[in-house]
Amino acid sequence: QIQLVQSGAEVREPGASVKVSCQASGYTYTSYAIHWVRQAPGQRLEWMGWIHAGSGDTKYLQKFQGRVTFTRDTSASTAYMELSSLKFEDTAVYFCARDRGSGRPLDVWGKGTTVTVSS
Amino acid sequence: DIQMTQSPSTLSASVGDRVTITCRASQSISIWLAWYQQKPGKAPKFLIYKASSLESGVPSRFSGSGSGTEFTLTISSLQPDDFATYYCQQYNSYPWTFGQGTEVEI
Repeated sequence: QIQLVQSGAEVREPGASVKVSCQASGYTYTSYAIHWVRQAPGQRLEWMGWIHAGSGDTKYLQKFQGRVTFTRDTSASTAYMELSSLKFEDTAVYFCARDRGSGRPLDVWGKGTTVTVSS
Repeated sequence: DIQMTQSPSTLSASVGDRVTITCRASQSISIWLAWYQQKPGKAPKFLIYKASSLESGVPSRFSGSGSGTEFTLTISSLQPDDFATYYCQQYNSYPWTFGQGTEVEI
């Protein structure tokens, strides 16, 4: 079945970087974009941007510009989200989700990766 | 950025009740609205797209309506599995934005 499997929880100190992976299976990986969405404790979902798994094109939420990088490895059907210069307020669950297109946005989600920024 | 506002923030209901959640956009988004269900500690689940189209496999007791700036999600007869938080999301323009969520509680 179609699924997105994310890497495990991470703990980082302020100023460090974190890289989260999202491995896809069950569909033609390069045909769709992968979006990244985060959720801080008790907060609403926050869209961060996307990477097209085929072309590698990216789009980022302006507030993260310069601090976040999306990459992908087509041979491994895996997308990556790297966030640098971490702040305490980056503590959140980070989700990847597939954009099915044709007017159907985020139809399949990974289970989420908890990133904790703590000194 | 387009702001999405849901009401109410919390809704108390019983099994069998008809439940309606409202989502308002700060500017017109045509029909480019999705609804998700999220349970504690879980990823969101995709329910409805293009304001009123039901995703495959989602029970028919869920329905969506609206266009422009005002939208609703209706659960016709609330079931025990439906107690969760519901989010609307606009995808008319970037950045995509979500409502603050509506918690449906017993």
